[in-house]
Amino acid sequence: DVQMTQSPSSLSASVGDRVTITCQASQDISNYLNWYQEKPGKAPNLLIYDASNLERGVPSRFSGSGSGTDFTFTISSLQPEDIATYYCQQSDILPLTFGGGTKVEIK
Amino acid sequence: QVQLVQSGAEVKKPGASVKVSCKASGYTFTGYYMHWVRQAPGQGLEWMGWINPNSGGTNYAQKFQGRVTMTRDTSISTAYMELSRLRSDDTAVYYCARARGKYSSSSSLDYWGQGTLVTVSS
Repeated sequence: DVQMTQSPSSLSASVGDRVTITCQASQDISNYLNWYQEKPGKAPNLLIYDASNLERGVPSRFSGSGSGTDFTFTISSLQPEDIATYYCQQSDILPLTFGGGTKVEIK
Repeated sequence: QVQLVQSGAEVKKPGASVKVSCKASGYTFTGYYMHWVRQAPGQGLEWMGWINPNSGGTNYAQKFQGRVTMTRDTSISTAYMELSRLRSDDTAVYYCARARGKYSSSSSLDYWGQGTLVTVSS
């Protein structure tokens, strides 16, 4: 199975800050890397697919980059409504696997 | 608009089975693989498998092989996930989620059901 290592596991930032989360795959997954936002009591919501493509309706402050084994997710200007847990997920090889999550809080 | 509506919460005893349904609307049910993902309390996301609603073909995570069965009823655009021989560590929220890519088995997951809490307790 492809192991997904996500860091940090949590972070605290101020409104307006730039926030960066990294995800490392245990093997080359090309650009088959997706990012989700999960708020308490809600289902995950797809934000970025295939490493850098913004899903329909997702604000442009969210972005993703990377290929191979190393990927980055960025919130360019943190907003109060961005408080959530973020997960990366690889879709190159079955079984699909997720990172451990990054909990984002407001400082 | 695309919607996935799941069945309600369940409480089961260890050793029992549970069957969760996921009714799809707003798109061609047979055109997109349906995945199942679970999340134990306070834990991360765990992929369980997928079903091809067109053919009925399935692919299960090795961890669940022999205990999980995914089926579908195309006449009512509904997918099902049945998990047998339940244990306390199967307590989790179970989600169905549609593959983003049409006819793609391995994909991002663009629409999710609301989740079904399954509690396993004696």
